[in-house]
Amino acid sequence: EAGVVQSPRYKIIEKKQPVAFWCNPISGHNTLYWYLQNLGQGPELLIRYENEEAVDDSQLPKDRFSAERLKGVDSTLKIQPAELGDSAVYLCASSMGVYNEQFFGPGTRLTVL
Amino acid sequence: GENVEQHPSTLSVQEGDSAVIKCTYSDSASNYFPWYKQELGKRPQLIIDIRSNVGEKKDQRIAVTLNKTAKHFSLHITETQPEDSAVYFCAALGEGNTPLVFGKGTRLSVIA
Repeated sequence: EAGVVQSPRYKIIEKKQPVAFWCNPISGHNTLYWYLQNLGQGPELLIRYENEEAVDDSQLPKDRFSAERLKGVDSTLKIQPAELGDSAVYLCASSMGVYNEQFFGPGTRLTVL
Repeated sequence: GENVEQHPSTLSVQEGDSAVIKCTYSDSASNYFPWYKQELGKRPQLIIDIRSNVGEKKDQRIAVTLNKTAKHFSLHITETQPEDSAVYFCAALGEGNTPLVFGKGTRLSVIA
């Protein structure tokens, strides 16, 4: 069974440019998460979906970040415009439910120049 | 909201020795405590978890203890091996729509 898939793996952009990340969760996992991980830190939740509904987006900087999970499966996370401080690894994870093991994708390493 | 503190930030042990990582949490309503291992350049992976209705859980060389009164939980690795070298994250989850909050991580180095 395939794990959580993310693309791209690496992205380098100039500040003020837009960027988008894509995630395909494990089949059957209704819960999907987007995390931000800075170097030397633990993952920080940006948004959690239950099917297509965003149930926790309190940590998402809504002035520049947006996310969607239109059909309750794949999800995209977008930043527009990107800032230097957005350089980090963006992790997607999925689980059967909030109290179940979260399976992480390989992450997208974003560098904003 | 929840706040998770993790100590130490780095830990070096000799192969075969035990390693202990400790975490404290602030929200007394938290009831699920997973531990993740992240090897360099790889994704975090769950190694063990504990729920608030038990005080201890073991899985081979790994054990986790939970003290709800003191709001702290610990990871114990016995007979450490070089492949145990990684960053370990504790986390805590409360009720409702509260997010899983991670500690800042402990970089464990097992010296052969």
